[in-house]
Amino acid sequence: DAMVIQNPRYQVTQFGKPVTLSCSQTLNHNVMYWYQQKSSQAPKLLFHYYDKDFNNEADTPDNFQSRRPNTSFCFLDIRSPGLGDAAMYLCATSRDEIRNTDTQYFGPGTRLTVL
Amino acid sequence: EDQVTQSPEALRLQEGESSSLNCSYTVSGLRGLFWYRQDPGKGPEFLFTLYSAGEEKEKERLKATLTKKESFLHITAPKPEDSATYLCAVKTGANNLFFGTGTRLTVIP
Repeated sequence: DAMVIQNPRYQVTQFGKPVTLSCSQTLNHNVMYWYQQKSSQAPKLLFHYYDKDFNNEADTPDNFQSRRPNTSFCFLDIRSPGLGDAAMYLCATSRDEIRNTDTQYFGPGTRLTVL
Repeated sequence: EDQVTQSPEALRLQEGESSSLNCSYTVSGLRGLFWYRQDPGKGPEFLFTLYSAGEEKEKERLKATLTKKESFLHITAPKPEDSATYLCAVKTGANNLFFGTGTRLTVIP
């Protein structure tokens, strides 16, 4: 089945220690998104890639970076995690940004704990 | 400012007791309204997309409707496995998917 895969499902890191979260997709979608979701809150968009074009949300902290080496994979790098960065990180894909009614499909998420 | 509000925040139903969840929105240029289901510790699962007022979509015990200011997710004769958080999201002319905080539904056997 075509899907969005996130690894690891659970990640524990120490305060200030860089961490990378991974997302892959078999849907062959052009657009990949990263969201942050804290407990009982709505998912908040951090950034997205349309093909190789990177689009950062205005209020996304510089501490968060992303890489998309190819169509299938996208990474979220947190350079110096703080306690406030503990959250569920969701990856999503959609077929085409230009047809901006396209549905976004989400992966299972990575739960990040910062000690 | 774009805003999406879901009500109630939490809803407890007896199995078989039908009800509706509300999503009201004030956005500039609605491009689509999306309903997702999210189970604890998992990513949102897509349910429906609605594009224009008057549109309705159905899937099993769920039916979504859309007006110019709000959407309803109707749950008919719910079962315990329908327990989840239901998220509403709108896509605006700015091409951003903007989520509400969800309704946490519990269906009691």
